[in-house]
Amino acid sequence: AQSVTQLGSHVSVSEGALVLLRCNYSSSVPPYLFWYVQYPNQGLQLLLKYTSAATLVKGINGFEAEFKKSETSFHLTKPSAHMSDAAEYFCAPPYNQGGKLIFGQGTELSVKP
Amino acid sequence: KAGVTQTPRYLIKTRGQQVTLSCSPISGHRSVSWYQQTPGQGLQFLFEYFSETQRNKGNFPGRFSGRQFSNSRSEMNVSTLELGDSALYLCASRVEGQGTEAFFGQGTRLTVV
Repeated sequence: AQSVTQLGSHVSVSEGALVLLRCNYSSSVPPYLFWYVQYPNQGLQLLLKYTSAATLVKGINGFEAEFKKSETSFHLTKPSAHMSDAAEYFCAPPYNQGGKLIFGQGTELSVKP
Repeated sequence: KAGVTQTPRYLIKTRGQQVTLSCSPISGHRSVSWYQQTPGQGLQFLFEYFSETQRNKGNFPGRFSGRQFSNSRSEMNVSTLELGDSALYLCASRVEGQGTEAFFGQGTRLTVV
């Protein structure tokens, strides 16, 4: 079954700086991958989803992710961080065993003024 | 369209008691999953229901159980509560199919004292 690894449990950037959150997937090329975001005291919401249709995926709030088969990666980026981007971000592989969605370990993003 | 609704939002229980949490999925969504989120363990999959049947189960003791009703609403029950059961419990619903997005409720914050 597919799994993902998120590198860095905590990332801190300054406001206006580049945001880079790392996610690597295992084994074969997945048909799709997800990034979810969780704001404090909230549930998760979909940030963006990769399908085989395009390797560069644009999501909400200015985030995007590029699927790189050669690096087995699906890193999340945003050119300029905003204070409101402070949240926890989760990468997730395709559903296992029908409907079992297993998330990565999560990366907490802090944004300094 | 109403989102996923979880009730109650907050709950305080005493060790040894039992608790029932409720989740109303988005209309038309027949798959409902439950997750436990704690600072130390991250997001852990509890179980998934589809059409009133448990389709997947995570690695949790038998004290954790759930069910789904014919209208797709789901409940999860935790018996003989332990301090370590304190967590945010999240419910997610989705339309059946490969690569469909999971929609999350805001969660129930359970504190066991």
